[in-house]
Amino acid sequence: AQKVTQAQTEISVVEKEDVTLDCVYETRDTTYYLFWYKQPPSGELVFLIRRNSFDEQNEISGRYSWNFQKSTSSFNFTITASQVVDSAVYFCALSEPNRDDKIIFGKGTRLHILP
Amino acid sequence: DVKVTQSSRYLVKRTGEKVFLECVQDMDHENMFWYRQDPGLGLRLIYFSYDVKMKEKGDIPEGYSVSREKKERFSLILESASTNQTSMYLCASSFRRGTSNTEAFFGQGTRLTVV
Repeated sequence: AQKVTQAQTEISVVEKEDVTLDCVYETRDTTYYLFWYKQPPSGELVFLIRRNSFDEQNEISGRYSWNFQKSTSSFNFTITASQVVDSAVYFCALSEPNRDDKIIFGKGTRLHILP
Repeated sequence: DVKVTQSSRYLVKRTGEKVFLECVQDMDHENMFWYRQDPGLGLRLIYFSYDVKMKEKGDIPEGYSVSREKKERFSLILESASTNQTSMYLCASSFRRGTSNTEAFFGQGTRLTVV
């Protein structure tokens, strides 16, 4: 069965520190997609990144970077030089397109960036 | 830009009322989803639809039904609202599998309180 685990419920760091949000997934399929979303205090989920199972290349977008490792079934998200505006709940998610179009979410990590 | 619009941001209903939550998307997405979000539980899938008049149960369908008469509109129905259905409800849409863009886009959420 598909499953997404975000073991960190809540993290607090001081502004300008780097922070990594962990995501571990379970799937029996060889074809799958992984996602990260951000939910700021306004409540709307914002899509950040999609990664398919055949592309293990790490990705960097500004201060954000993602590390996908199939060997450990992990898709971790790092924010470099964090800013107060990064404070939000972050969700990792998984879909298995050969099965159906459901997207299964982890429970989220609440990130506090302290000024 | 993808636009997913939920009809209400906040809603207060009485126990036993029939409640309709409406969602409209403007990107011609085949898939539409209803999730509920509760503290500590993350996003849980209630129902999803991959085509007009088609629906599939998610992880927590009990107490809910859905309607998809038009491609752009997906309604969540609480037949007889109960206090344990007080929650944040999130609607999302996405393209069907077989395309490379499978991420879901979310509406702003409806915070429903049942009293």
